[in-house]
Amino acid sequence: SQTIHQWPATLVQPVGSPLSLECTVEGTSNPNLYWYRQAAGRGLQLLFYSVGIGQISSEVPQNLSASRPQDRQFILSSKKLLLSDSGFYLCAWSVGGYGNTIYFGEGSWLTVV
Amino acid sequence: TQLLEQSPQFLSIQEGENLTVYCNSSSVFSSLQWYRQEPGEGPVLLVTVVTGGEVKKLKRLTFQFGDARKDSSLHITAAQPGDTGLYLCAGAGGGSNYKLTFGKGTLLTVNP
Repeated sequence: SQTIHQWPATLVQPVGSPLSLECTVEGTSNPNLYWYRQAAGRGLQLLFYSVGIGQISSEVPQNLSASRPQDRQFILSSKKLLLSDSGFYLCAWSVGGYGNTIYFGEGSWLTVV
Repeated sequence: TQLLEQSPQFLSIQEGENLTVYCNSSSVFSSLQWYRQEPGEGPVLLVTVVTGGEVKKLKRLTFQFGDARKDSSLHITAAQPGDTGLYLCAGAGGGSNYKLTFGKGTLLTVNP
């Protein structure tokens, strides 16, 4: 069966510090990978998605970047965090094609202070 | 830009009551998913509907996809405190099978 794991689960970072959130998927090959941000426990905002190694699409201009160094690894980064980067970050995967059900990781709480 | 409007945004009911939440759009979707999310956790898929007019049942939950594939509803019968959570609908389509459009969710509280 497929599993998705992201870490760290919680982190508190000062303004201006770097960020690295990691996500790995097991049990599937060539998944589509996603990073979402959720504010105040409500709707999900798609930040980045990737359909293959090294292929990253950015949905929203921001202070963040994403990389996919391996087929089942997706990394969310920032060189200098802003207060507005605080939120709940979710990694997710899907397999391409009709239906496109997305499966989410456990989420990472980021607080920028 | 495709948008999904969910209603109501907040719903607080007593255990045993029935409820319906709605997910509406002016766009046509190839499929629509419903997720349930508990605080501090990732959303968990409840169901995917792909055919206009389709009805799926999951125990006390009934999901319907509109005939025109622009809207969906989730009906819960005899709600229980364990049903408490954020219910999100998400649609796929509009030229991209890689991305889902999410509604803002309905926050349901079932009081014992």
